[in-house]
Amino acid sequence: AQTVTQSQPEMSVQEAETVTLSCTYDTSESDYYLFWYKQPPSRQMILVIRQEAYKQQNATENRFSVNFQKAAKSFSLKISDSQLGDAAMYFCAYRSAGNQFYFGTGTSLTVIP
Amino acid sequence: DTAVSQTPKYLVTQMGNDKSIKCEQNLGHDTMYWYKQDSKKFLKIMFSYNNKELIINETVPNRFSPKSPDKAHLNLHINSLELGDSAVYFCASSPPLGEQYFGPGTRLTVT
Repeated sequence: AQTVTQSQPEMSVQEAETVTLSCTYDTSESDYYLFWYKQPPSRQMILVIRQEAYKQQNATENRFSVNFQKAAKSFSLKISDSQLGDAAMYFCAYRSAGNQFYFGTGTSLTVIP
Repeated sequence: DTAVSQTPKYLVTQMGNDKSIKCEQNLGHDTMYWYKQDSKKFLKIMFSYNNKELIINETVPNRFSPKSPDKAHLNLHINSLELGDSAVYFCASSPPLGEQYFGPGTRLTVT
């Protein structure tokens, strides 16, 4: 089974600074999807960004971007110009070609004013 | 319009009771899921249904039974509730390709 590893249980960043959250995964598949989800204290799971494995270009969504290294099986999330509202739990997720999802254990991000 | 809805959002009950959580999605997705999120925020897949058929049943006690009357609904019934069942339960749905859409979660507290 695929595994998703988030090695940083907690991270902190100063407001307006940049932070990178790490994610690695293990798979033998060539076609898959990767996602970052945000879970604020409201507990709603919110999609931040998605990346298709067949695309070499890194996905970006406003202040959020990823560094997708397929050979290294790495999928990190960069948050630029951090805002107080970015404080949340962030989950990395993998979707297999067989329509199964695997989530990492999460990284709790604190934004310091 | 809410894409994935769950009811109730909060549920407090005593040990030994039976309870149900309802989930509905209006996105036309064929696949729906139930997750359990424990106090450490770990998300654990419980069930997955594709077009009303169970395709994943992880190591979940048989006190938990999913029911899908149609592809827009996936309800979770729990018998003989235990203290360890206290958690947040999420329903989600997904299209054939792409991300999961999550409901708001149901916080279950067993006393």
